[in-house]
Amino acid sequence: DGGITQSPKYLFRKEGQNVTLSCEQNLNHDAMYWYRQDPGQGLRLIYYSQIVNDFQKGDIAEGYSVSREKKESFPLTVTSAQKNPTAFYLCASSTRGDRQYEQYFGPGTRLTVT
Amino acid sequence: KNEVEQSPQNLTAQEGEFITINCSYSVGISALHWLQQHPGGGIVSLFMLSSGKKKHGRLIATINIQEKHSSLHITASHPRDSAVYICAADDSWGKLQFGAGTQVVVTP
Repeated sequence: DGGITQSPKYLFRKEGQNVTLSCEQNLNHDAMYWYRQDPGQGLRLIYYSQIVNDFQKGDIAEGYSVSREKKESFPLTVTSAQKNPTAFYLCASSTRGDRQYEQYFGPGTRLTVT
Repeated sequence: KNEVEQSPQNLTAQEGEFITINCSYSVGISALHWLQQHPGGGIVSLFMLSSGKKKHGRLIATINIQEKHSSLHITASHPRDSAVYICAADDSWGKLQFGAGTQVVVTP
């Protein structure tokens, strides 16, 4: 089955530690995205990548880093510089058709930092 | 100020009722997305539209480009429709601006 996988579903870390969230897709999509969701707020874009070896900052990139070495994979590292890292993180990928990008979402990773 | 506004924030309906969720946006868009998020957090894309109207089962999405407004309708609502519905404006290259979501509860 084609889809997007994120692991783990729940992740706990101590403050001051970097943590990497995994996102893999087998949909052959060029574009991939990372979003953050906080309670009562809309999703916000952290980073996105339209092709391999290229990525762009979104609206809230500070304290995060990404890489896109393979088309299928777009891992997100939450660094110790991120002031409020506890949140629900969603990865998405999209195919492109006539300027429209239908997005497919992974199941999400709930990160708790204490 | 959020560039995508949804209303209402919360909505409770009885099974069988017709539900409407509204979305207004201030950016120029290439497409408007309607998404559904279930309690576990997973998000499913319901519609992507840039003009007119789309229908899938009991769900109907419409968009008025001139007025920068979209609506999601659920006909003959059912408890399994209970979820958060999110609209998102794609202003370029798949970069979405999201509304805050509408929590829908359908009671039997």
